[in-house]
Amino acid sequence: NAGVTQTPKFQVLKTGQSMTLQCAQDMNHEYMSWYRQDPGMGLRLIHYSVGAGITDQGEVPNGYNVSRSTTEDFPLRLLSAAPSQTSVYFCASSYSKAGLGETQYFGPGTRLLVL
Amino acid sequence: GDSVTQMEGPVTLSEEAFLTINCTYTATGYPSLFWYVQYPGEGLQLLLKATKADDKGSNKGFEATYRKETTSFHLEKGSVQVSDSAVYFCALSTPSGSRLTFGEGTQLTVNP
Repeated sequence: NAGVTQTPKFQVLKTGQSMTLQCAQDMNHEYMSWYRQDPGMGLRLIHYSVGAGITDQGEVPNGYNVSRSTTEDFPLRLLSAAPSQTSVYFCASSYSKAGLGETQYFGPGTRLLVL
Repeated sequence: GDSVTQMEGPVTLSEEAFLTINCTYTATGYPSLFWYVQYPGEGLQLLLKATKADDKGSNKGFEATYRKETTSFHLEKGSVQVSDSAVYFCALSTPSGSRLTFGEGTQLTVNP
């Protein structure tokens, strides 16, 4: 099993550009989520999905879109990049939703720099 | 709302020293508590967890006990190694919630 994979590893964008961060898992997990990691703030939830076709907003959803057409994939779209979106982005997955004490499996992260 | 507070870092220790990283929480209901570890350049991975009061989670020599009376989940290890150098995150989830709530993270550096 590859676990949770993310691409790209590193990306530089100019303000106003759009891009998609890819996330895939091969563990047949129903629950997937996106977090951003910023210094001194831990990780904050952006969006999550409890299954194919179902998504919902997390703590910091503004400026990001998601969709979940398959169980395996959960891409994160930045619509118009802003310097405030400079961060490290982590995708995570689990068998069921985080609130049930499930272990979350994290990808290696995507480091994004917006100029 | 739910929150997690970790001791301020960074923490620097010599090899074989005793480690404590404090974690306290605020949550409604009965949360599950976690410690995740992030090694340099990698994603987070679960270190240990506890899902009810008085449970002790343990892994790789690390331990933490779920103390409901003090709303704490302190991480301890009796003898740290250089390979334990990493960032440690305390986190919680609640039965009605859909996410992990993380503390700020504590950077641990262990010197030989």
